[in-house]
Amino acid sequence: QKEVEQNSGPLSVPEGAIASLNCTYSDRGSQSFFWYRQYSGKSPELIMSIYSNGDKEDGRFTAQLNKASQYVSLLIRDSQPSDSATYLCAVKSNFGNEKLTFGTGTRLTIIP
Amino acid sequence: NAGVMQNPRHLVRRRGQEARLRCSPMKGHSHVYWYRQLPEEGLKFMVYLQKENIIDESGMPKERFSAEFPKEGPSILRIQQVVRGDSAAYFCASSPGRATEAFFGQGTRLTVV
Repeated sequence: QKEVEQNSGPLSVPEGAIASLNCTYSDRGSQSFFWYRQYSGKSPELIMSIYSNGDKEDGRFTAQLNKASQYVSLLIRDSQPSDSATYLCAVKSNFGNEKLTFGTGTRLTIIP
Repeated sequence: NAGVMQNPRHLVRRRGQEARLRCSPMKGHSHVYWYRQLPEEGLKFMVYLQKENIIDESGMPKERFSAEFPKEGPSILRIQQVVRGDSAAYFCASSPGRATEAFFGQGTRLTVV
């Protein structure tokens, strides 16, 4: 079992719709969760972090965390063509282990 | 506030040469992480350093690869006797402390010919 799993996609979403990206992780001791966006040939860009169960909203982005189910998701409302990118889920384990473990990413395409 | 600075952005080396990749963390950040991304693959952790200390090198290949983060100056990832399989994008990230957000530099694209 991979430590962090994401559906590789591609995920195609019409412009203006909600894009839903999902991630599961295997380490129950994980404490910190992050979503990065990576455009082709570019570096990962942090877009959301979440540390406790529930929802966290920032503009058009909402991160959701459910530690009991070991599940974290990212919702993008009012999707724009500029949101087309690969979205990487990253997890930090329990305190003391600062390594970020990444999923392989979900490629999102917003269709105009 | 400048971001994480990596140089060079592109590096071409012949097989058997040495590659040195440099990373200057964001101002106020004392934690540095190195990741490697092979084409069409995910980011793989290599090493985590604080000033003058290697904290976690569990992702580093046992041979030819080394990293340092001296008291003064940038963090260096060194690859000796490069082989074609070392061709990848190498990203550095930094954070201000434990359990905090990490920000990535623009990466160094290493090509071994």
